[in-house]
Amino acid sequence: EVQLVESGGGLVQPGGSLRLSCAASGFTFSSSWMHWVRQAPGKGLVWVSRINGDGSSTIYVDSVKGRFTISRDNAKNTLDLQMNSLRVEDTAVYYCVRSIGWPEHWGQGTLVTVSS
Amino acid sequence: DIVMTQSPDSLAVSLGERATINCKSSQSVLYRSNNKNSLVWYQQKPGQPPKLLINWASTRESGVPDRFSGSGSGTDFTLTISSLQAEDVAVYYCQQYYSTPWTFGQGTKVEIK
Repeated sequence: EVQLVESGGGLVQPGGSLRLSCAASGFTFSSSWMHWVRQAPGKGLVWVSRINGDGSSTIYVDSVKGRFTISRDNAKNTLDLQMNSLRVEDTAVYYCVRSIGWPEHWGQGTLVTVSS
Repeated sequence: DIVMTQSPDSLAVSLGERATINCKSSQSVLYRSNNKNSLVWYQQKPGQPPKLLINWASTRESGVPDRFSGSGSGTDFTLTISSLQAEDVAVYYCQQYYSTPWTFGQGTKVEIK
């Protein structure tokens, strides 16, 4: 059974940093492209970033470029999102998503709240 | 970026009646290599992650009731719930995966009339 479990969310002040993790199991992690998608409270879904299977290619939405870094550890089956210079507008539930061509499986999400 | 626009924003349907949600993309999401449309539909209930219902615009995921169906091609797509059940109350999203950034419709809230 495919499982994606996010962790690392919490309350952080504007300008602060947070590192999210996603523990993957039940599939060949190193073969899967992985994404982060976020959802602000009461709002819609917004794609944030993607990393390919071996970690050699990454891409970001413009609003997080230069502040967020996606990475993976295929030996540990984990996906990370390092978030720096956080802004109030980054407040959201962050989901990790596995894609196999299409976005096939989502984690339960972890809430990040940026507030003073 | 491909813009996805859903209509309506909300709809109220009587139990057992048909619900229809439309999704339009700003450019074609037809993937030439397999002649399939790179579009999915999700159902999201409060406090839960999106649940994948349909991939490649019309392929129902395993375990999804057959009252849910997807259709359309190119830039115009439809999600149909043939006979609305109480448990179908949710927000529904379309999403294209033809290109990054993935983009989503704004969501359609389905309620019981």
